[in-house]
Formats: sequence, structure tokens, C-alpha cells
Amino acid sequence: QVQLQESGPGLVKPSQTLSLTCTVSGGSITGVGFHWSWIRQHPGKGLEWIGFIYYSGNINSNPSLKSRVSISVDTSKNQFSLKLSSVTAADTAVYYCASAPWGHYYLDHWGQGTLVTVSS
Amino acid sequence: EIVLTQSPGTLSLSPGERGTLSCRASQSVGSGYLAWYQQKPGQAPRLLISGTSSRATGIPDRFSGSGSGADFTLTISRLEPEDFAVYYCQHYGSTPYTFGQGTKLEIK
Repeated sequence: QVQLQESGPGLVKPSQTLSLTCTVSGGSITGVGFHWSWIRQHPGKGLEWIGFIYYSGNINSNPSLKSRVSISVDTSKNQFSLKLSSVTAADTAVYYCASAPWGHYYLDHWGQGTLVTVSS
Repeated sequence: EIVLTQSPGTLSLSPGERGTLSCRASQSVGSGYLAWYQQKPGQAPRLLISGTSSRATGIPDRFSGSGSGADFTLTISRLEPEDFAVYYCQHYGSTPYTFGQGTKLEIK
């Protein structure tokens, strides 16, 4: 069973770039059966899809964030990463990584989530 | 962008009762690509239902999903104490994949 774990700084200054990594275990990130995704949840609020990546590098991201989002895969480490540039306090949220089965975009395995606070 | 509206915002029921949660889309969701998740405080969401009505692995059969077009329902036939949580629907028929705002199921 696929397991995911987010890691990265819990505090980012405004205007800087938020960088998070998701480590995948129990499965290969190059496995043809998966898409890899980032989702966030603002404090006390609902869920927002950020984007998906396939191991080949094909990316699909939310238009509302597209200009600031970069998602990449490191196959040698079985990890994928999120970079969100020019952050503001509105980017303070719990960030989750998750997997989706190939050809579908529902999220069947989730990491535990990591809180990122944007503050000076 | 498809907007998903969940109702009610909060549902107060007792264990053993039947729970019915609604998810209405602003336009038809293609191919029934609608999922439901359960989230408990401090935890990540857990997939319950995909493809409108397919239960995820390990999900009890008291959870069922139905609907078509733009109207979808999650039904919990007999509420167990562990079912009290927040429930989200999500469509994945076209980007951006959006979530509903959630229904909080609380103990009456």
C-alpha cells in the first residue's frame, strides 16, 4: 500500500518560495498506475486542489495558482515536490500530498499533511 | 470551473440514524466522476467513494453513493460513533478539480 509523507519548512516569509517534498513508500513513483498530487486546506476551511504530476513530467495544475506553481518528480529519491512562489499570508494552509490511480483524479492515498505558515 | 455546493452545512443526528448528505454541481459532472471523502479533526481526508458509487477499499457497506448529472448523494445507513466527521465531495471530470465546502456531521 502506497504511503506518502510531506516534509519542508513550516514557516515561510512573504514573497518567498514555499518548497515541499513528498516521499513515496510502498510503491514506485514511476509506476504507471499513479498520478501524484498536491492539495491544500486553509485553516478551518475546505480543500483546494493544487496540481497533479505524472512521473513522465506531465503536469496539470489549478489555473488559480498556475503562474506560481511548479511541481516536479525526483525518480531517484521516489519523491515529488511542490514550489509555490511569491507567497502571501493567504497561502498559509495545511499542504497534503496524495496519489490518484492512473486515468482518474480522485485521491486514494494521502499524506498526513504539513502546516505551512506565511509570516515575517 | 464546476462549483460544488454541499448541503446541509451541518447535520445533527444520533448514532443508529440514517444520514443523507447532498452535493450539487453547477453543471453536469462528466461520466459520474464524483468522489466523497471523510475528514476527522487533525487527520487527512480519507477516500470513501469514487465514480459516484464505488466504495474504496475497506469502507463499510453502510456508506453508499448515488446520483447523476449534477446531483449526488452520500448515504450512511446506520451511523456509528466513528462516522461523525466532516464530509467533502470532489469532482474529477475536468480541470480544475474542485471540492465542495463540506458537511459537518455531528452527534445530536
